[in-house]
Amino acid sequence: AQSVAQPEDQVNVAEGNPLTVKCTYSVSGNPYLFWYVQYPNRGLQFLLKYITGDNLVKGSYGFEAEFNKSQTSFHLKKPSALVSDSALYFCAVREVDRDDKIIFGKGTRLHILP
Amino acid sequence: DAGVTQSPTHLIKTRGQQVTLRCSPKSGHDTVSWYQQALGQGPQFIFQYYEEEERQRGNFPDRFSGHQFPNYSSELNVNALLLGDSALYLCASSLAGEKLFFGSGTQLSVL
Repeated sequence: AQSVAQPEDQVNVAEGNPLTVKCTYSVSGNPYLFWYVQYPNRGLQFLLKYITGDNLVKGSYGFEAEFNKSQTSFHLKKPSALVSDSALYFCAVREVDRDDKIIFGKGTRLHILP
Repeated sequence: DAGVTQSPTHLIKTRGQQVTLRCSPKSGHDTVSWYQQALGQGPQFIFQYYEEEERQRGNFPDRFSGHQFPNYSSELNVNALLLGDSALYLCASSLAGEKLFFGSGTQLSVL
């Protein structure tokens, strides 16, 4: 069964600084990987996905993520943080070529300090 | 084009009651997944419906059941409600296992 780990409950970053939100995953085959963001009292919004190809994936709002197969990681990054990036971020995984569910991590709360 | 819509947005029930939550998927989507999100936690997979059948199920008791209709809309039913069932219930639709589109959720409070 697949699983996702987000080791940090909270990440604090000063506005304008680069940010990284960590994610590691476990699947028996090849992964589909996703990042979602959640604002208060809302559903989750899709940010980006990795299916195949280039290990650096670019997504919405200037976010990108780097797939590292040897480290089974898919860290979310942004070169320059904005206060409006403050939200709850979820990493998710699904196994390729299976009609399988998408499993989410527990989330990382990102605080961007003005 | 409407996205995923869920109803109701909020619901208050008492222990032992039954509840039905509803979801209309994004236009063109054929798969509906339900998630439970407790406060401060990540979404937990309940089950997934495709072609009116339950295709995958997470680690939830039989009190949780669902249905998908020919128009792809879906219902989540929870019987014999417990206090611990209080959570945000999220519906997500997708096509061919690609990325999920989420509704805003139904906030269920069990008193």
